[in-house]
Amino acid sequence: KQEVTQIPAALSVPEGENLVLNCSFTDSAIYNLQWFRQDPGKGLTSLLLIQSSQREQTSGRLNASLDKSSGRSTLYIAASQPGDSATYLCAVQRMDSSYKLIFGSGTRLLVRP
Amino acid sequence: NAGVMQNPRHLVRRRGQEARLRCSPMKGHSHVYWYRQLPEEGLKFMVYLQKENIIDESGMPKERFSAEFPKEGPSILRIQQVVRGDSAAYFCASSPGATGRNEKLFFGSGTQLSVL
Repeated sequence: KQEVTQIPAALSVPEGENLVLNCSFTDSAIYNLQWFRQDPGKGLTSLLLIQSSQREQTSGRLNASLDKSSGRSTLYIAASQPGDSATYLCAVQRMDSSYKLIFGSGTRLLVRP
Repeated sequence: NAGVMQNPRHLVRRRGQEARLRCSPMKGHSHVYWYRQLPEEGLKFMVYLQKENIIDESGMPKERFSAEFPKEGPSILRIQQVVRGDSAAYFCASSPGATGRNEKLFFGSGTQLSVL
């Protein structure tokens, strides 16, 4: 059974800091791993999708890495801004039923001005 | 090009009442997925539907919950005789075709159900 774990559950940093969010999964039989951003009262926004054959993806100040063999992914946010404050979710897409995303519980990030 | 539309945004029901949550997928999308997010937890898959067909409802509770996606109109998630434990955020997602490798789902803003 695939389980996805995210640590830390919450993180508070001053503006400008670089930070890393962690995601681990128990079954390496995945198509891909996605990082989402969730704002209160709003839907999920897909930030980055890393295919199983890839090691990392970058978008602006965001960089996501994937180590499938060890079941780990990290989301690196450079030069954090108050607007980055949100909950960040990682989710894996299973090979055996690809429409079922398995989500972690998320990391609540607060970037203090 | 509107995204996935869910309504209502907030729904308050008393125990024993019925809750009906609606989801209109993105234009051109014929596949709909419902997820539930309990407080302090990640989203969990409930059901996957195509037009007029339920493909996989393995994540949906066996009793009181049902879902449909008719030929015309939005997808409906229906919860009968709600209980306090049904209080959660319910998210709908859609895709143009069957999700395969590396195809993204597009999520709506969710419906927050509160059961008093």
